[in-house]
Amino acid sequence: GENVGLHLPTLSVQEGDNSIINCAYSNSASDYFIWYKQESGKGPQFIIDIRSNMDKRQGQRVTVLLNKTVKHLSLQIAATQPGDSAVYFCAEFQGAQKLVFGQGTRLTINP
Amino acid sequence: NAGVMQNPRHLVRRRGQEARLRCSPMKGHSHVYWYRQLPEEGLKFMVYLQKENIIDESGMPKERFSAEFPKEGPSILRIQQVVRGDSAAYFCASSTRQGRSTEAFFGQGTRLTVV
Repeated sequence: GENVGLHLPTLSVQEGDNSIINCAYSNSASDYFIWYKQESGKGPQFIIDIRSNMDKRQGQRVTVLLNKTVKHLSLQIAATQPGDSAVYFCAEFQGAQKLVFGQGTRLTINP
Repeated sequence: NAGVMQNPRHLVRRRGQEARLRCSPMKGHSHVYWYRQLPEEGLKFMVYLQKENIIDESGMPKERFSAEFPKEGPSILRIQQVVRGDSAAYFCASSTRQGRSTEAFFGQGTRLTVV
């Protein structure tokens, strides 16, 4: 289900290191997943998506991994930069009707 | 191609007043979602609409909240008799739900403050 009412977990990484953000989804019937980035005071911004018939998808500096067995998604950001600081959400399409968001993780970059 | 447009960006209402939040989807998009976000929390689904139809309103409070997406014009989220607990950021997203991609694009949100 939706994770609301909980304070965001935080991930701190050194600039230049790789970041891995994890997400557990709830509905085994969900077949489409999206990662969003949300900067302070702004709306969520699409990063990358993946369908359930795939295990991995790569974009520019980002990779999404999907493990359907344990209903787990991860977002890997290579060579993390200061501009990557934001809150990252995974979202799943449930029943092809409703886009449901996970809890979110705040990523902070240490210089 | 303009993105999803929400207005106003900031809205202040006194308790008991009505709040109207507008969302113009991206050109060619006929599906609209509304979400509510409290500070430091995730986005909570409220309602999913297509043109002239409410598809899923399972996240809408039973009272005071309503949404519409008319044939012409923006989608409207209406909150009657606002209370302080309604203070939040409200985000709208739109999608085409055509082709292989069903990615949804978000607006910048409306930040409602009830005083």
